[in-house]
Amino acid sequence: KQEVTQIPAALSVPEGENLVLNCSFTDSAIYNLQWFRQDPGKGLTSLLLIQSSQREQTSGRLNASLDKSSGRSTLYIAASQPGDSATYLCAGYMDSNYQLIWGAGTKLIIKP
Amino acid sequence: DAGVIQSPRHEVTEMGQEVTLRCKPISGHDYLFWYRQTMMRGLELLIYFNNNVPIDDSGMPEDRFSAKMPNASFSTLKIQPSEPRDSAVYFCASSRGTGNLPGELFFGEGSRLTVL
Repeated sequence: KQEVTQIPAALSVPEGENLVLNCSFTDSAIYNLQWFRQDPGKGLTSLLLIQSSQREQTSGRLNASLDKSSGRSTLYIAASQPGDSATYLCAGYMDSNYQLIWGAGTKLIIKP
Repeated sequence: DAGVIQSPRHEVTEMGQEVTLRCKPISGHDYLFWYRQTMMRGLELLIYFNNNVPIDDSGMPEDRFSAKMPNASFSTLKIQPSEPRDSAVYFCASSRGTGNLPGELFFGEGSRLTVL
């Protein structure tokens, strides 16, 4: 069964730090991958989508990469701000059945 | 675009009552998804539609749950009769298909259901 692991489950860092969130799939046959953030009591906001032909995507202070050979994706947040505090989830489509598989999320707290 | 619009945002009802949740997807999107989120189980896909046709409803927990998409701009998720264990946040999401995949997902703000 395909599973997604997000490490760490929770992270608390001071404002201004650069940080990396990780997402690992048990099966490396990932077709594409999407990163989301979820604020408490809110819906999920799409951050970045890495399509099958791409290896990374950038949006502002965010950079996401996908290494299909290892089944891993990282989300890099530069110069973190308190407004970045949220839960970050990754989700990937598998080659085999096009099911979208979700990670449990990383809860991020940026301390002012 | 206004994004995915869900209603109601909050619903409190008593066990046994019928609950109807509504969703308006982003215009031009051909995929629509219903998800449920709880602390214990995280995000669960209930059902999804492509071009208004249900494609996979294997996540619908019981016959008490049903979903319809009568046209490209409206979908409903109905629970009848509701039970306390149905309490959760229900999300609707939509996307524009690319190739034979649903593409980038966009979520609504969710409907928080409490069944007493």
